[in-house]
Amino acid sequence: QVQLQESGPGLVKPSQTLSLTCTVSGDSISSGSYYWSWIRQPAGKGLEWIGRIHRTGSTNYNPSLQSRVTISVDTSKNRVSLNLNSVTAADTAMYFCSRDVWGGYYYYMDIWGKGTTVTVSS
Amino acid sequence: SYVLTQPPSVSVAPGQTARITCAGNNIASKSVHWYQQKPGQAPVVVVYDNTARPAGIPERFSGSKYGNTATLTISGVVGGDEAAYYCQVWDSSRDQLFVFGAGTEVTIL
Repeated sequence: QVQLQESGPGLVKPSQTLSLTCTVSGDSISSGSYYWSWIRQPAGKGLEWIGRIHRTGSTNYNPSLQSRVTISVDTSKNRVSLNLNSVTAADTAMYFCSRDVWGGYYYYMDIWGKGTTVTVSS
Repeated sequence: SYVLTQPPSVSVAPGQTARITCAGNNIASKSVHWYQQKPGQAPVVVVYDNTARPAGIPERFSGSKYGNTATLTISGVVGGDEAAYYCQVWDSSRDQLFVFGAGTEVTIL
């Protein structure tokens, strides 16, 4: 059973870098053809896709965040990381990681982590 | 950017049928997926590729699409179905690959 677990600081100061890790258990990132996404959700609001990465290191980012986001993969540790720089209060949200499944002509997210809350405040 | 439009809320009595719509330009050409999110929990996919249901999802959940609107139907709703529901499409022709609707809160009366 594949499980995803997000981790990282729950509090980040404005203008600093938010860094989160998504650790995958139950399967090896190296063995599959999945992409791994980051999604965030401000309290009481909807879901926003941040970006994703493949085991090969290929990435795609949401254009609205692209200038501040870096997603990386460490196959030896079976984890994916998110860095978001120059954060403001608007980046306060629950952050989820997910596994993206290819269905022939579409992707969807079949497995999600439980999420981790990040607050941006001084 | 591509926009998916959902009603903010839907209310339904227990045992009745809830229908949640998701409208988007040319959605007929896209595959629509639906997620259920209960308070404090991560989303769970309940329908993928317009009509397919993952293992473990009750048959009460079904998806359909007609014209520029996709619909998630929950038949014989129970209290445990109270949640937010999001539609999602993947659009490789745009930079924002994954687009979510704003979500619909389903309230059981």
